[in-house]
Amino acid sequence: EAGVVQSPRYKIIEKKQPVAFWCNPISGHNTLYWYLQNLGQGPELLIRYENEEAVDDSQLPKDRFSAERLKGVDSTLKIQPAELGDSAVYLCASSATDRNTGELFFGEGSRLTVL
Amino acid sequence: RKEVEQDPGPFNVPEGATVAFNCTYSNSASQSFFWYRQDCRKEPKLLMSVYSSGNEDGRFTAQLNRASQYISLLIRDSKLSDSATYLCVVNSIRGSTLGRLYFGRGTQLTVWP
Repeated sequence: EAGVVQSPRYKIIEKKQPVAFWCNPISGHNTLYWYLQNLGQGPELLIRYENEEAVDDSQLPKDRFSAERLKGVDSTLKIQPAELGDSAVYLCASSATDRNTGELFFGEGSRLTVL
Repeated sequence: RKEVEQDPGPFNVPEGATVAFNCTYSNSASQSFFWYRQDCRKEPKLLMSVYSSGNEDGRFTAQLNRASQYISLLIRDSKLSDSATYLCVVNSIRGSTLGRLYFGRGTQLTVWP
């Protein structure tokens, strides 16, 4: 069974440029998460979807970040414009239930460097 | 105050050693607890859940102390392959948020031959 797939794996951009990340969750997983992980820190939740509905987006900086999950499957996370402090790994995860039981399956992440 | 606090280490131990990690959580209403493992430049993966009565999985033992709000992970007979970062994770419910997983910053373990 395929795991969570993310792309691109690496992205280098200049500040003020836009960037987008894509995630394909495990088939049948209704819950999808975007996390941000800075070096030496644990993942921090940006947004959680139940199917196509964003049920927890309080940590998403909405002035520059946006996300969507059309048709409740794939998801994209966009940053526009990017700032130096956005350099981090963006992790997508999915889980089988909406009860947040604790077992999340993560993708390999998209590593963003903003110059 | 952070939801989950962990000593970042690093812990450097020889093969065969026993090593223990602790973490504390701030929300007394937290409902479920986990340890994740993250290898260098890889994604986190669930290592084990933590139950109130304590639980064991091979060389790994997890304990929960609700009164003191701390969680521990004990690794016996350390192997080189145990070298990784161990993330303490707590599922907390605040307000209308239907449970959110909070990750600690992780404790780095290196096992040397």
